[in-house]
Amino acid sequence: DIQMTQSPSVLSASVGDRVTLSCKASQNINKNLDWYQQKLGEAPKLLIYFTNNLQTGIPSRFSGSGSGTDYTLTISSLQPEDVATYFCFQYNSGWTFGGGTKLELK
Amino acid sequence: EVQLVESGGGLVQPGRSMKLSCAASGFTFNNYDMAWVCQAPKKGLEWVATISYDGSSTYYRDSVKGRFTISRDNAKSTLYLQMDSLRSEDTATYYCARHEGLGGGLDYWGQGVMVTVSS
Repeated sequence: DIQMTQSPSVLSASVGDRVTLSCKASQNINKNLDWYQQKLGEAPKLLIYFTNNLQTGIPSRFSGSGSGTDYTLTISSLQPEDVATYFCFQYNSGWTFGGGTKLELK
Repeated sequence: EVQLVESGGGLVQPGRSMKLSCAASGFTFNNYDMAWVCQAPKKGLEWVATISYDGSSTYYRDSVKGRFTISRDNAKSTLYLQMDSLRSEDTATYYCARHEGLGGGLDYWGQGVMVTVSS
């Protein structure tokens, strides 16, 4: 089974900061990775699909990159409404979520 | 507009059964693989099960194999999760979600339904 490891588990940042979240797979997942945002009390929402494709309606400050085993989600300028937990998800072989990164305002 | 609406959750005793439903609308249901994902209180997301667009193939995480059954009724645009021999560790919010493409990521999610397994 493929394991997905997200880091850090908690990230504190200020409004306007550039923020980078990491996700590492235990083996090559061939860019078959999505990113989701989950706000408190809500269902997850798709942000990025297939590593670097912005889902319709998602602000352009969100972007994704990566290949092989290493992937990142970047928020170019953090906004208060971005406070949430972010999960990566691989679907290259079976389906596995990362443990999540909780993004807080400093 | 794509909508997924789960129902059927609640409180159930350990060892008993419960069946969740997910009513889909706003898209051609029988064109998409579907999934159930769970989230224990204050924990992360866990993929539970996936069913192919035509129901011919099903996949489960190890911890639910032999206890949970995913199924679908394409005529009713409804997804199901039959949960048997429930354990306290099955306590979670269960989300139904649509796979993007065949077995891809999850592009639309329901609002979730809570299942509490307790005596």
